Amino acid sequence: GAGVSQSPSNKVTEKGKDVELRCDPISGHTALYWYRQSLGQGLEFLIYFQGNSAPDKSGLPSDRFSAERTGGSVSTLTIQRTQQEDSAVYLCASSSTTGGGNIQYFGAGTRLSVL
Amino acid sequence: EDQVTQSPEALRLQEGESSSLNCSYTVSGLRGLFWYRQDPGKGPEFLFTLYSAGEEKEKERLKATLTKKESFLHITAPKPEDSATYLCAVQAGGSARQLTFGSGTQLTVLP
Repeated sequence: GAGVSQSPSNKVTEKGKDVELRCDPISGHTALYWYRQSLGQGLEFLIYFQGNSAPDKSGLPSDRFSAERTGGSVSTLTIQRTQQEDSAVYLCASSSTTGGGNIQYFGAGTRLSVL
Repeated sequence: EDQVTQSPEALRLQEGESSSLNCSYTVSGLRGLFWYRQDPGKGPEFLFTLYSAGEEKEKERLKATLTKKESFLHITAPKPEDSATYLCAVQAGGSARQLTFGSGTQLTVLP
């Protein structure tokens, strides 16, 4: 597609339930990132995938958070046993490691609300 | 630890009133400094990348500059459609590629 696509755009869930958020990066981009944006705060890095290398998980806040990237394209961020403090906008970005360099292009995000 | 501080948190301007937004940073080996614009309910939209001190880039009414400690986003004769949150981010050297973001400056341009 023309840009980074995320789904769903909004997700409301109950505390304790698991959720899956999807990201479809720009075609041909080898790098994919997940960030979290909480109300009134800056974007917080969660995880980074580069090609077939092991992901950089250094930003994941707890072991309830995990992510995978299948076939070097689509990525899914999973949050298990959601808590109210997980409520935020989850943003995905992708970049090419050639040509345009390190510019990260963002999707519109998934707004997660945990009741 | 990489750190980015943006000021002011919020800025209200009259249409045509020029001003500057500040981004101060500390980073271990700057790979790049990025400016993004974010509208409500949308993801950040890329504006500029600056790679070395002294570099400047322009786009329409916006001009970004970089020193070894800070970056400025100058807005000349702003229009109401320039109202948005402007985010600054740094990318450190080494193998890490993630961006470290500031909290943003919320700009409102009044007609």
